[in-house]
Amino acid sequence: DAGVTQSPTHLIKTRGQQVTLRCSPKSGHDTVSWYQQALGQGPQFIFQYYEEEERQRGNFPDRFSGHQFPNYSSELNVNALLLGDSALYLCASSRRDSTYNSPLHFGNGTRLTVT
Amino acid sequence: RKEVEQDPGPFNVPEGATVAFNCTYSNSASQSFFWYRQDCRKEPKLLMSVYSSGNEDGRFTAQLNRASQYISLLIRDSKLSDSATYLCVPPDGDSSYKLIFGSGTRLLVRP
Repeated sequence: DAGVTQSPTHLIKTRGQQVTLRCSPKSGHDTVSWYQQALGQGPQFIFQYYEEEERQRGNFPDRFSGHQFPNYSSELNVNALLLGDSALYLCASSRRDSTYNSPLHFGNGTRLTVT
Repeated sequence: RKEVEQDPGPFNVPEGATVAFNCTYSNSASQSFFWYRQDCRKEPKLLMSVYSSGNEDGRFTAQLNRASQYISLLIRDSKLSDSATYLCVPPDGDSSYKLIFGSGTRLLVRP
């Protein structure tokens, strides 16, 4: 049973460039959430996708956008990269549950460095 | 007040010690809570889920105090391998499928 997979694992980009990160959720999961984690901080919620639509969004600018595909996989796009975008980007999947919130299962993350 | 607040630590304890972390939250509508463990430069991994007043799993006990709006994690008989950052996660109010993480509490268990 494959867990959450993310690609690439590491990425180096230059200021102003654009980047796309990819995520495949754990088998049986239908919801994908993206988090940004700076060094020494907890993960910060970027947005969440369910049924191919953005359902929740954190306090991130429009430069951050995403997509979910019919097979539940997802992409995170960041435009006009800034030095401050350097962080570990975590994808987490979960299953919608009408009774309780199901926990998130995280991928290994993509470490983005902007120079 | 922040949505989720944790003491960043570090908590430096000897092997075998009992240590407790607290996490305060501002949203009283939260129904379920999670504790995650994160090792250095790794992804967070689910440690415990709490859906009622508490949960116990081996050396780990999580408790919820709704009146005071905090949850706690107790680790008994600490092991060297328990050294990590512990992240508290209550869900966010009306947006019940969005999980908000605390900044984490760092635990160092020394020989």
